[in-house]
Amino acid sequence: GAGVSQSPRYKVAKRGQDVALRCDPISGHVSLFWYQQALGQGPEFLTYFQNEAQLDKSGLPSDRFFAERPEGSVSTLKIQRTQQEDSAVYLCASSSRLAGNINEQFFGPGTRLTVL
Amino acid sequence: AQKVTQAQTEISVVEKEDVTLDCVYETRDTTYYLFWYKQPPSGELVFLIRRNSFDEQNEISGRYSWNFQKSTSSFNFTITASQVVDSAVYFCALSGGPPRTGANNLFFGTGTRLTVIP
Repeated sequence: GAGVSQSPRYKVAKRGQDVALRCDPISGHVSLFWYQQALGQGPEFLTYFQNEAQLDKSGLPSDRFFAERPEGSVSTLKIQRTQQEDSAVYLCASSSRLAGNINEQFFGPGTRLTVL
Repeated sequence: AQKVTQAQTEISVVEKEDVTLDCVYETRDTTYYLFWYKQPPSGELVFLIRRNSFDEQNEISGRYSWNFQKSTSSFNFTITASQVVDSAVYFCALSGGPPRTGANNLFFGTGTRLTVIP
């Protein structure tokens, strides 16, 4: 497809389980971002990749959160030992950032994670 | 620190009315970008507009218009002759991130839920 895709769209986990969320960015997009959107709030930045390099992970809330993009395309956000406060929509965005310019980010549909 | 404030939590208008969504931002950067995104009930964020800090020209795109004023740190969004399909949550966002990383992740406001009543 032409847009950003994410899977699964919905995930229910029992507290303590590990989960893995996948993002397929737009082909050729260099930049990839992960955001967390709690109910009734705006998205909050988690981490950023430029190709395969994770250049900023300052938004990850704890060391239970881990993201990777090994080949500079598909990315996976992993949450270990999930807690109820991890329940949120996880959004992935990609951008064809050009040097010296800031391009818009294209968002995927998100993965709604519910931790019971 | 980057901050975006959308003071209007919810707005309801009757179809064909005009509506303005407010956005106020804070930043110490001299170069920055402002964005508006629409989030319909399906949940996917849809890009509407990007403006850089050096371009204060107002912009019009169909029924949408944006008013950027650096003096008041505001970037307001007006929908003219609203339609039911405009019902969504609208987010204002500000670019940021450490310059050395070139991340430019977005800082979002809390959003304004617009309901257009037929």
